[in-house]
Amino acid sequence: KNQVEQSPQSLIILEGKNCTLQCNYTVSPFSNLRWYKQDTGRGPVSLTIMTFSENTKSNGRYTATLDADTKQSSLHITASQLSDSASYICVVSAINAGNMLTFGGGTRLMVKP
Amino acid sequence: GAVVSQHPSWVICKSGTSVKIECRSLDFQATTMFWYRQFPKQSLMLMATSNEGSKATYEQGVEKDKFLINHASLTLSTLTVTSAHPEDSSFYICSARTEWAGSPLHFGNGTRLTVT
Repeated sequence: KNQVEQSPQSLIILEGKNCTLQCNYTVSPFSNLRWYKQDTGRGPVSLTIMTFSENTKSNGRYTATLDADTKQSSLHITASQLSDSASYICVVSAINAGNMLTFGGGTRLMVKP
Repeated sequence: GAVVSQHPSWVICKSGTSVKIECRSLDFQATTMFWYRQFPKQSLMLMATSNEGSKATYEQGVEKDKFLINHASLTLSTLTVTSAHPEDSSFYICSARTEWAGSPLHFGNGTRLTVT
């Protein structure tokens, strides 16, 4: 069964600090992995898209890593800002009919001043 | 970048009435659209997948006669919640992508449905 597990479920950090969110998956055959940021009451917004051959990809203060061998991904946020408070969702796509998507449960991040 | 417009952003309706939510891709052809619901502090739950011109595929446990999905064109999909009940109150989000396997999902901003 395809699964995506995210940890931690929730996280509170102080403004300016760094943090790392984890995503482990069992989706197979793997196509790509995406990290989304979802502000409260809004739709998710894509942060990064990673394919099998990519190990690291950055988008501003967000850096995603992918280890396709261990089926793990991380999202590192540098110098956090109050506006980073949101839910971060990991979504993994499989190479099959319909390119099935499997969603992680998300990590709720709160950045405090 | 690609934009998905969802309308309305919020709606309040009385129990027993039906509500239609629209999802439009504004600058690309959305071969596939997805509908999700999200309860507070929980992740997105996929309800159904719709491909233009064909019947939607519903996830297990989602009543297709209650949540009617129509994907009549490459830019529009609608979700109709029929005979709404208070337990249907939730945040409904659509997403869309092109036929290319690696294309990203583009999400709408969601619709907050409150059934009184």
